[in-house]
Amino acid sequence: GAVVSQHPSWVICKSGTSVKIECRSLDFQATTMFWYRQFPKQSLMLMATSNEGSKATYEQGVEKDKFLINHASLTLSTLTVTSAHPEDSSFYICSARSSGSSSYNEQFFGPGTRLTVL
Amino acid sequence: SQELEQSPQSLIVQEGKNLTINCTSSKTLYGLYWYKQKYGEGLIFLMMLQKGGEEKSHEKITAKLDEKKQQSSLHITASQPSHAGIYLCGADLTDDKIIFGKGTRLHILP
Repeated sequence: GAVVSQHPSWVICKSGTSVKIECRSLDFQATTMFWYRQFPKQSLMLMATSNEGSKATYEQGVEKDKFLINHASLTLSTLTVTSAHPEDSSFYICSARSSGSSSYNEQFFGPGTRLTVL
Repeated sequence: SQELEQSPQSLIVQEGKNLTINCTSSKTLYGLYWYKQKYGEGLIFLMMLQKGGEEKSHEKITAKLDEKKQQSSLHITASQPSHAGIYLCGADLTDDKIIFGKGTRLHILP
């Protein structure tokens, strides 16, 4: 089956620093990747849609200058949280849509990255 | 998302009992996904429904999508402790991306 990995699985950083999270599709090519954020006891909220070779599309209320997304290849998308603050502490999950998927809009989810900003 | 309502928000069920979780959309769905999650972990894909009236089963879990493609239900038969977790319905509303309901926290009492 299609596998999506995320790295790191958890990270702790100081306020004001930047953190990069990687999302990789291991055994398939993903033209589109999605980034979600999940706060404690809440559901997943879509942050942005990342398309290979083009600019990401951000959801309303998500600061594009704070959450930098790069989708440089068909197997890798990165999310950089710039100048992180404690309120950015959350569980970040990516998903990838296979360019060759036979299932309509099937998305495969990564295991998530827990970010804690001190 | 307000476009997708999931109920109940929390459910406590005695082991062995059946239960149902509902997911309702204000718009027609291109596709409806059910996932299970343990808090702080990734999502486990359960089922995807696309056609009106479609019904799928996996072990003791059955999911249905109504004819109008605006409501889905997830039914667990003879619940077990391993069924405990957060159940999320995800909807493809725009042929582009999946948005999620608020989730249902399921607790199974031994």
